[in-house]
Amino acid sequence: DIQMTQSPSFLSASVGDRVTINCKASQNINKYLNWYQQKLGEAPKRLIYNTNNLQTGIPSRFSGSGSGTDYTLTISSLQPEDFATYFCLQHNSFPWTFGGGTKLELK
Amino acid sequence: QVQLQQSGAELVKPGSSVKISCKASGYTFTSYDMHWIKQQPGNGLEWIGWIYPGNGNTKYNQKFNGKATLTADKSSSTAYMQLSSLTSEDSAVYFCAAGAYWGQGTLVTVSS
Repeated sequence: DIQMTQSPSFLSASVGDRVTINCKASQNINKYLNWYQQKLGEAPKRLIYNTNNLQTGIPSRFSGSGSGTDYTLTISSLQPEDFATYFCLQHNSFPWTFGGGTKLELK
Repeated sequence: QVQLQQSGAELVKPGSSVKISCKASGYTFTSYDMHWIKQQPGNGLEWIGWIYPGNGNTKYNQKFNGKATLTADKSSSTAYMQLSSLTSEDSAVYFCAAGAYWGQGTLVTVSS
């Protein structure tokens, strides 16, 4: 199975900050990497698919990049509604595997 | 709009089985594979498997072979996941997901 190592696990930031969250795969996943946001008690919401494609309706302050084994989610200017948990998903090979999650908290 | 409506929370006894449903609306049911995901506090997310509703083809995470059985009913646009021989390790929230969309989750609690 492909292991997805996500960092950091916790992140404290302020409104307006630029933040980055990373996922490192144990092998090349050919850009088959999605990013999700989950708020407490809610279903995850897909933000980015296949590394850098913004899901319809998601604000442009969210962006993704990467290749090979290393991928990044960037939020350019944090808004109050962005404080949530984020996780990555590789869908290059079965079984699909998730990163451990990053909890983004208000500083 | 696309919606995946899951069945309600379940409290079940160890050793029993449970069947969770996921009713799709707002899109053609056979357009997307239906995936199932397990979420436990502290253990993150695990992908269980998928089913293609068009022909019933399935793919499972080996870890869930024998634990989860995925089916789909095209006539009602509903996907199902049966979990068998339940133990406390199966207590979790289970999600269905198709394309970008996820159901609201179903809490399964295994307790005597």
